[in-house]
Amino acid sequence: DADVTQTPRNRITKTGKRIMLECSQTKGHDRMYWYRQDPGLGLRLIYYSFDVKDINKGEISDGYSVSRQAQAKFSLSLESAIPNQTALYFCATSDMSSGVGNEQFFGPGTRLTVL
Amino acid sequence: QKEVEQDPGPLSVPEGAIVSLNCTYSNSAFQYFMWYRQYSRKGPELLMYTYSSGNKEDGRFTAQVDKSSKYISLFIRDSQPSDSATYLCAMSGGGSYIPTFGRGTSLIVHP
Repeated sequence: DADVTQTPRNRITKTGKRIMLECSQTKGHDRMYWYRQDPGLGLRLIYYSFDVKDINKGEISDGYSVSRQAQAKFSLSLESAIPNQTALYFCATSDMSSGVGNEQFFGPGTRLTVL
Repeated sequence: QKEVEQDPGPLSVPEGAIVSLNCTYSNSAFQYFMWYRQYSRKGPELLMYTYSSGNKEDGRFTAQVDKSSKYISLFIRDSQPSDSATYLCAMSGGGSYIPTFGRGTSLIVHP
């Protein structure tokens, strides 16, 4: 079974719709992250959370919000989707005690298309 | 200028070639240097990491860090078609454990 799961894997939606992407992990990690990946731009950090009560903005948080419902669950919402939010979205986790490099473990990704 | 620069490629090589992938960076506080491999339609996975300067070898893969030049490399010996993927460098340090990623280099190894 996958340690980091994302739902849905693919989603097509229309401009102005609200959409939620969900991430769950069974690794027992305390830190969770949301990234988006665009061709030529690499991975960009949207939000991150170091524990259930901690939420931090990343590089590109405008237009997004998150909720950390439990240690194992971290959701990303687009309140009113727009076409330039079309991208591949990744959830990742890491373990505060892992020390070196803060290795991140990524989910399989959600491909989102906003028409 | 981005903190981490990486040529997106694509880099196309024949099977058996030695591949060199590189990143440059501007933040002298970076101490941890990582390479992630991402296959098509998958999330990135950590391939290798190095702390501070020096070399690290793991099978056909060698990671090299030159902090004086702010330059890191990943070498792949005897490249195989199964090595075809996007390789992302990532770095962290200076009190932040959140890595900064390069754009990724697309590698194609053809038989």
